[in-house]
Amino acid sequence: NAGVTQTPKFQVLKTGQSMTLQCAQDMNHEYMSWYRQDPGMGLRLIHYSVGAGITDQGEVPNGYNVSRSTTEDFPLRLLSAAPSQTSVYFCASRRTGANSNQPQHFGDGTRLSIL
Amino acid sequence: QQPVQSPQAVILREGEDAVINCSSSKALYSVHWYRQKHGEAPVFLMILLKGGEQKGHEKISASFNEKKQQSSLYLTASQLSYSGTYFCGTSNNNDMRFGAGTRLTVKP
Repeated sequence: NAGVTQTPKFQVLKTGQSMTLQCAQDMNHEYMSWYRQDPGMGLRLIHYSVGAGITDQGEVPNGYNVSRSTTEDFPLRLLSAAPSQTSVYFCASRRTGANSNQPQHFGDGTRLSIL
Repeated sequence: QQPVQSPQAVILREGEDAVINCSSSKALYSVHWYRQKHGEAPVFLMILLKGGEQKGHEKISASFNEKKQQSSLYLTASQLSYSGTYFCGTSNNNDMRFGAGTRLTVKP
């Protein structure tokens, strides 16, 4: 099983460029989310979705957009990249369940550097 | 709001025990524990749902005190493979927040 697939694995951008980080899962999970991981900061939630057509903001949403047109895909868009967005980005998915009683499955991450 | 983990780092010898703590200022429905090896994705260890519940995974177990809004992860007779960064995640249904992590190093 592929699980959660993120592309690309590495990317270097210049300040002001835009790009989309791709995330796809083949487990038919309703819930998907994006985190960024910076040294000493743990995983911080950017955006999440509880199903197709539904998205919501996490704790650090500024500078990022998301959409959820299908159950499988949850792309993350950087509209105008800034050096502060240099980070490792993880996509995760899980089945929905009362009170978050389902484990999250993480992709392998995208390492993004913005110059 | 992110949960608070302590300690930030632990260094152990093989066979020693460790405890990692996770606390939240908000009421908790559940606590998740994950382990991340360097350069890899976080991997699920266990979920605790009920107050006072304890669960186990190999020689790793955890407790959840709902009233105190705290969870603890217990690693007994540590092995080299236990090295990594441990994260707790807390959730109010859909919005899961993670602690800053505890870096565990097990030496021979």
